[in-house]
Amino acid sequence: DTGVSQDPRHKITKRGQNVTFRCDPISEHNRLYWYRQTLGQGPEFLTYFQNEAQLEKSRLLSDRFSAERPKGSFSTLEIQRTEQGDSAMYLCASSWGQSSGNTIYFGEGSWLTVV
Amino acid sequence: GDSVTQMEGPVTLSEEAFLTINCTYTATGYPSLFWYVQYPGEGLQLLLKATKADDKGSNKGFEATYRKETTSFHLEKGSVQVSDSAVYFCALNQGAQKLVFGQGTRLTINP
Repeated sequence: DTGVSQDPRHKITKRGQNVTFRCDPISEHNRLYWYRQTLGQGPEFLTYFQNEAQLEKSRLLSDRFSAERPKGSFSTLEIQRTEQGDSAMYLCASSWGQSSGNTIYFGEGSWLTVV
Repeated sequence: GDSVTQMEGPVTLSEEAFLTINCTYTATGYPSLFWYVQYPGEGLQLLLKATKADDKGSNKGFEATYRKETTSFHLEKGSVQVSDSAVYFCALNQGAQKLVFGQGTRLTINP
């Protein structure tokens, strides 16, 4: 099994620009999650998909953020009009099934720096 | 809402010392509990988990027991190694929707 892969791993962008991150989950996983992690903090939930349906969005996900999973496989997270406060690591994760005990597997993250 | 509180770090120990990292949680139901580890420059990896009260999760010499009466899931290891240096996150999952993480505890092991 290949794990969860994310691209790009690092992105530096100017304030006001748009950025897009891609996540490829483990192939048979039906659930895909996005989290945000800032330095010294634990990951914070942003949103998750079951197959192609986006089932929950955190209040952290402002209207400048949009996530898609068009065919229930890979996902993209777009941030429009980036702000310095968006600087963080964006983590993608995936899992199979609906039990709270199922393991959620994380990618290595995409670091965003807004200058 | 659901929350996880971890022992504040950083924690610095000598090799072969005994490790405890405290974790307590608040949840309305009966969540599953997890410990994840993050090595420098890497993503989160599952270390161990427990899905019901009194279950003990274990892996790589680490253990944690799900204590419903004290709402705790403390991480322990009898003899730490330099390679255990990392950030450790306690987390819960209730309703199979998402993980809720603690703030993390940075562990440094000196030779």
